[in-house]
Amino acid sequence: DTEVTQTPKHLVMGMTNKKSLKCEQHMGHRAMYWYKQKAKKPPELMFVYSYEKLSINESVPSRFSPECPNSSLLNLHLHALQPEDSALYLCASSQELGGSYPYNEQFFGPGTRLTVL
Amino acid sequence: LAKTTQPISMDSYEGQEVNITCSHNNIATNDYITWYQQFPSQGPRFIIQGYKTKVTNEVASLFIPADRKSSTLSLPRVSLSDTAVYYCLVGDRGDYKLSFGAGTTVTVRA
Repeated sequence: DTEVTQTPKHLVMGMTNKKSLKCEQHMGHRAMYWYKQKAKKPPELMFVYSYEKLSINESVPSRFSPECPNSSLLNLHLHALQPEDSALYLCASSQELGGSYPYNEQFFGPGTRLTVL
Repeated sequence: LAKTTQPISMDSYEGQEVNITCSHNNIATNDYITWYQQFPSQGPRFIIQGYKTKVTNEVASLFIPADRKSSTLSLPRVSLSDTAVYYCLVGDRGDYKLSFGAGTTVTVRA
């Protein structure tokens, strides 16, 4: 199983709502990532977890709150978002954080298309 | 992280070979070159990674000259389903951070 799954596929929320994005992988990968991708732009790294601990926060606003409940699951909690936060949110995983191929190959999920009204 | 420069777009026809060149003039000694592919509304997918000379897998070939200041991704006999954005990334073994450049949009026509 080389699949990263993400739910929901689409999400529409108001600026006062609280919602969560979910990501799951069963490849035994120990590093997991959240990326944000605006239309016609490349993905931008948001957070990195390694062995269930937050390793990297790329100066992301606190209205985005990541959580890694176990080695297979990664959540992104959303609260008080702005319309400019509308984007495709991608989750990825790799065997390890860094290293060389194949350990550093990142497997991406299909993403959650988020619209903030 | 080394900066990469790729063509914005390329057009091709089914059955042709597509070569995408990426410039990375300030590549460091420990840096590897990696290519990802992204279809519309999907996450990127790893294609190939190399350090020098030539690397080939079932999907593509990666040519890296001796000075490593550029690299060329070669897609043999493309089909319509190869229409995608192709990203060239450069980083060392310790780089957790995938810094995607603008990418090259490859359009394959019948």
